[in-house]
Amino acid sequence: KAGVTQTPRYLIKTRGQQVTLSCSPISGHRSVSWYQQTPGQGLQFLFEYFSETQRNKGNFPGRFSGRQFSNSRSEMNVSTLELGDSALYLCASSLEHFSGNTIYFGEGSWLTVV
Amino acid sequence: GNSVTQMEGPVTLSEEAFLTINCTYTATGYPSLFWYVQYPGEGLQLLLKATKADDKGSNKGFEATYRKETTSFHLEKGSVQVSDSAVYFCALIDGNQFYFGTGTSLTVIP
Repeated sequence: KAGVTQTPRYLIKTRGQQVTLSCSPISGHRSVSWYQQTPGQGLQFLFEYFSETQRNKGNFPGRFSGRQFSNSRSEMNVSTLELGDSALYLCASSLEHFSGNTIYFGEGSWLTVV
Repeated sequence: GNSVTQMEGPVTLSEEAFLTINCTYTATGYPSLFWYVQYPGEGLQLLLKATKADDKGSNKGFEATYRKETTSFHLEKGSVQVSDSAVYFCALIDGNQFYFGTGTSLTVIP
């Protein structure tokens, strides 16, 4: 069974641009959550989508947004990129809304903002 | 609020040494607890979990016991290998969000 797939794996963007990251969950999983990992802040929760609806949101500015499609695939968008947005962005999926369930992580998308 | 506190690293051990990585938590409800491992250049992988008090999670020689009385979930392994070198994250789910510790980097030297 294929795992969580994230694309692209690596990308470089210029300050002020916007970026879209994609996540395909494990087949049958309906919940997708996103995380930002940086050396300084560690691993921080961005948001979770379940059945095409955002269920929970972490403490990030509105420049960070996402959506989920009917096939459970999810995209995350960051607009007006800042240098501090350089990070590893991880996506994770779980069968249901992740409370109490195990989540499975993808390998992440490395974003560098220059 | 909810939070997870891990012992700070980095931790360097010789092969076959005993490993303990401390993790304590604060939660308003009855969380499930997890240890995730991140190998260099990879995403996080579930190492083990426990969903209620006194449960012991175990995998690949690693163990952790959910201690409600001390709000702890310490990770242990009796004999580490070079291949265990990675960053270890303690985490909890309570309600609608995942909370992660800051991670503990482990290096095992031959």
